[in-house]
Formats: sequence, C-alpha cells, structure tokens
Amino acid sequence: DQQVKQNSPSLSVQEGRISILNCDYTNSMFDYFLWYKKYPAEGPTFLISISSIKDKNEDGRFTVFLNKSAKHLSLHIVPSQPGDSAVYFCAASKGYSTLTFGKGTMLLVSP
Amino acid sequence: SQTIHQWPATLVQPVGSPLSLECTVEGTSNPNLYWYRQAAGRGLQLLFYSVGIGQISSEVPQNLSASRPQDRQFILSSKKLLLSDSGFYLCAWSVQGLGAGKNTEAFFGQGTRLTVV
Repeated sequence: DQQVKQNSPSLSVQEGRISILNCDYTNSMFDYFLWYKKYPAEGPTFLISISSIKDKNEDGRFTVFLNKSAKHLSLHIVPSQPGDSAVYFCAASKGYSTLTFGKGTMLLVSP
Repeated sequence: SQTIHQWPATLVQPVGSPLSLECTVEGTSNPNLYWYRQAAGRGLQLLFYSVGIGQISSEVPQNLSASRPQDRQFILSSKKLLLSDSGFYLCAWSVQGLGAGKNTEAFFGQGTRLTVV
C-alpha cells in the first residue's frame, strides 16, 4: 500500500517554462511534506518543505502547494533550468516518525 | 557543521557472500539514523531506522539487518546476499524530536551502489 504516490515517472519541460511535479498521499495523518532532489549516483538533497497548517511555501524559484482536502501537493519550478534536471521525490511524515517517500519523478529540462 | 559519511561508494558482491555497509555522522549528537534502498522503479524504501544506540526498527522483512553500536554509527549487514539485494543504499540522519511545524528534514549520504552477481 503506497501512501505517497507520484504518478508521473517522468516530465519534460523547456528551459524557462514552468515545471509542475505532482504528489498525492492517502494518509490523512501526514502533517509535514518535503521535496527532495536527486542526481544519479548521489544521495537526495532537501529542496523545500511545507507544514500541513500552510497551503503554500515559496523559496526562490521553488514553490510547494498543499491541498489538504484533495490530499495533493505540487512543486512548481519557475523558470526551469537545465540544472534542474534530476529525479524529484515527494516525502511525507506524521508527527515524530520516519519519512515516507514516493517513487520519484524524473524531470528533464531541455535548453 | 554536520556531515554524513557512507562507504563504500560502489560494491560488487557474489550471491551468498556477506555484506557490511557503514555510515557515520559528524557534528551532531543523538541523531535518528536511517537506511533506505532505491531499487529500479521503486523509489526510496525505508529499511531500518534507529532512535538510539542499540535501538533498531525494521520497516520491511528482508535479508538484511542493521546495528547501531555507537551514537553516530549505523551499519547495514547481511549474512548471505541475494540477487534481489542489488540496489542503491542510502544512509540518512535527522534531528530527534520531530513534529509538525518542526524541521523533519533528513540528510542523506552519497549512497552505495551494490550489485550482487
């Protein structure tokens, strides 16, 4: 039973355009959500997070939106750059707990 | 500053051989420690986590075991590797006492690419 789902295995975007990565979750007890970025053969690095008490968090080119009623969050990257090409993992946690990750979405930003 | 070290970076082992992957964290005390595996098409799967020395929780039944002999040392082991143990293994740490509104970010090591042949 996958509690965090990233239904798009890959996404292709042109440089300068917006990238939108989506994530759905099933456990309503999740109260903190994170996005990680991963390059091949490297460990994931933290990108941005959002608490369940908020519906938006912005950090530079990256914005995460949370829709609790739909159990859906999304990561927006504007403008997209070729260096953003990586696998993006959505993760969620509930209270004092471990992180549950989605399967990831590979983003390819072409020049 | 905190750093996490994981080694080796790559490993090729025959089926039936033992495994020992080591992870150490510097610059913090009493961290939560995690072992994840990234297998093809399966995202990041939590294998073990530890909230203190000698305290190990297993998330999935498997051919692997974990130990935490020291506060900042986490070891992933197997007595006999299977072909299905191949994957990319990641160690991570996070701050204790997590919760809503707090930073539950986990910091990952560089990973170990294990190929069982």
